[in-house]
Amino acid sequence: DSGVTQTPKHLITATGQRVTLRCSPRSGDLSVYWYQQSLDQGLQFLIQYYNGEERAKGNILERFSAQQFPDLHSELNLSSLELGDSALYFCASSYRTGAETQYFGPGTRLLVL
Amino acid sequence: AQTVTQSQPEMSVQEAETVTLSCTYDTSESDYYLFWYKQPPSRQMILVIRQEAYKQQNATENRFSVNFQKAAKSFSLKISDSQLGDAAMYFCAYRTLYSGGSNYKLTFGKGTLLTVNP
Repeated sequence: DSGVTQTPKHLITATGQRVTLRCSPRSGDLSVYWYQQSLDQGLQFLIQYYNGEERAKGNILERFSAQQFPDLHSELNLSSLELGDSALYFCASSYRTGAETQYFGPGTRLLVL
Repeated sequence: AQTVTQSQPEMSVQEAETVTLSCTYDTSESDYYLFWYKQPPSRQMILVIRQEAYKQQNATENRFSVNFQKAAKSFSLKISDSQLGDAAMYFCAYRTLYSGGSNYKLTFGKGTLLTVNP
């Protein structure tokens, strides 16, 4: 158990819908990273937050957005969902933005029908 | 941009034997971190081992060790005394050491699926 929690574990929804994925980092960690794992794209970095502020963006679609709240939990919002958004979404956390190791949560498996 | 290549999509090993998974990377940076993560069927991403590029000594964690060749940009993982629980997808990952833009993302390879035969 990494100490990073993600909810829900599974999510099934329809095209065009909007969903919210939630992540709670390890106790004391200030930095949160979101990654997407899909069969065709592999593991890709989406976005990073540090202590409530966005620090870096990767291959994140405009239909996707995220935020980190004062209690340090983070949410990833996916809207206007398409079949191709079906993937495993991971949250990872680290103490500082440059801390060596990122610890991953169990992931949220999203299936868009 | 950095890239990570794992040229072995699948590998197999007999229980109690040793197996080596390959990883090469491309970067213009001199300081960085390299990682091996394990993803078992549960899909959880588990850190196996970490190597700092500025350290010459190869990292070791129990049965897991790396062969880090900085000049060749090679970072292989050796698993000794393989166990059934080692069966998983293994990902090699790269992370910059210093980022002026504060982007400390992990860049992953495509993964190697390791099967352990009893």
